[in-house]
Amino acid sequence: EAGVAQSPRYKIIEKRQSVAFWCNPISGHATLYWYQQILGQGPKLLIQFQNNGVVDDSQLPKDRFSAERLKGVDSTLKIQPAKLEDSAVYLCASSLETTAYNEQFFGPGTRLTVL
Amino acid sequence: KQEVTQIPAALSVPEGENLVLNCSFTDSAIYNLQWFRQDPGKGLTSLLLIQSSQREQTSGRLNASLDKSSGRSTLYIAASQPGDSATYLCAVRLKAAGNKLTFGGGTRVLVKP
Repeated sequence: EAGVAQSPRYKIIEKRQSVAFWCNPISGHATLYWYQQILGQGPKLLIQFQNNGVVDDSQLPKDRFSAERLKGVDSTLKIQPAKLEDSAVYLCASSLETTAYNEQFFGPGTRLTVL
Repeated sequence: KQEVTQIPAALSVPEGENLVLNCSFTDSAIYNLQWFRQDPGKGLTSLLLIQSSQREQTSGRLNASLDKSSGRSTLYIAASQPGDSATYLCAVRLKAAGNKLTFGGGTRVLVKP
């Protein structure tokens, strides 16, 4: 079974530029999550999708971050414009459903450096 | 608001020594607690998941305990090996938050040959 795929793996940009990350979840997984992991900290949930609807985006900085999951499969996370403090690893995860006993499977992440 | 804490942030032990990693959480109304391993440049790999009704889970050299009333979990790794060097993260699922994971900051472990 193929795992969660993410691209690119690394990205370096200058502040005020825009950047987009892509995630392809495990086939058949209805729920998709984007996490931000700042160096030395645990991952923090940014947004959670159930199919193509948003379940939780309470910690997404909506003035600069946006995410979409067209057709309920792949997802993109965009930052526009980027700030220095956005430097982090962005992890995508997926699970079969949103209920609390569904294991989340994580992708390798995208490491973003903002200069 | 649920807070998850892992102390120490970093740990270095000689090969063969047992590892003890601690995780504490403030809200005991959890569905379960999960331990993950993270290697540099990689995603998270699930190690053990303990349901709220359980006291411990074991897998090979790994044993995780859960004391919900005191808000603590401990991950034991017996006879550590250099390949155990990684960051270990614990995360909880709150009953009020569906499948949302709240993570601790992790413990970075180095096992020296």
